[in-house]
Amino acid sequence: TQLLEQSPQFLSIQEGENLTVYCNSSSVFSSLQWYRQEPGEGPVLLVTVVTGGEVKKLKRLTFQFGDARKDSSLHITAAQPGDTGLYLCAGGDPASKLTFGTGTRLQVTL
Amino acid sequence: DVKVTQSSRYLVKRTGEKVFLECVQDMDHENMFWYRQDPGLGLRLIYFSYDVKMKEKGDIPEGYSVSREKKERFSLILESASTNQTSMYLCASSLGVRTQPQHFGDGTRLSIL
Repeated sequence: TQLLEQSPQFLSIQEGENLTVYCNSSSVFSSLQWYRQEPGEGPVLLVTVVTGGEVKKLKRLTFQFGDARKDSSLHITAAQPGDTGLYLCAGGDPASKLTFGTGTRLQVTL
Repeated sequence: DVKVTQSSRYLVKRTGEKVFLECVQDMDHENMFWYRQDPGLGLRLIYFSYDVKMKEKGDIPEGYSVSREKKERFSLILESASTNQTSMYLCASSLGVRTQPQHFGDGTRLSIL
């Protein structure tokens, strides 16, 4: 079974701060997805990265796929309370299925 | 937009009961999935289905079964509920290959007393 470890597990920051969360594995993935889950709701897809070294930006969120396609990071600039939630990465292997990471719970306070 | 609907947001059952969790999607997706979500463990796949009447075990199938009689509906069954099955259950669907992005329902928080 492929494993995806996310760090940190919990993060509490103030509005306006920057942060980075990480998603690491010893396995190579063909694609990497990031989801955000808000309290009381299911996860919602934010982005998919498929090429080693790829960087994608979604407003204040920057996603990067590692060159070796074993890891990924999510950087948030000037965090806002609306960014609060559980961030999940998920690795895709066409021969298998999606494997979800352990999650990073982010709390942004005023 | 894809809509994945889970029949109950909250459910309380007793040990030994047979429990049914229902999930319906409205976008004609081939693939449907059942996960359980526990703090610190992320999402763990219980079962998935890639076509009507087809099913495959995920990582933690023990104590669960599934049914997919129609393309839009995927049911999770706890044959004899136990307290260690208290959890958040999430249903998802996707189109095409199994690693395509998934669309999730809002979850069912199940408590087994």
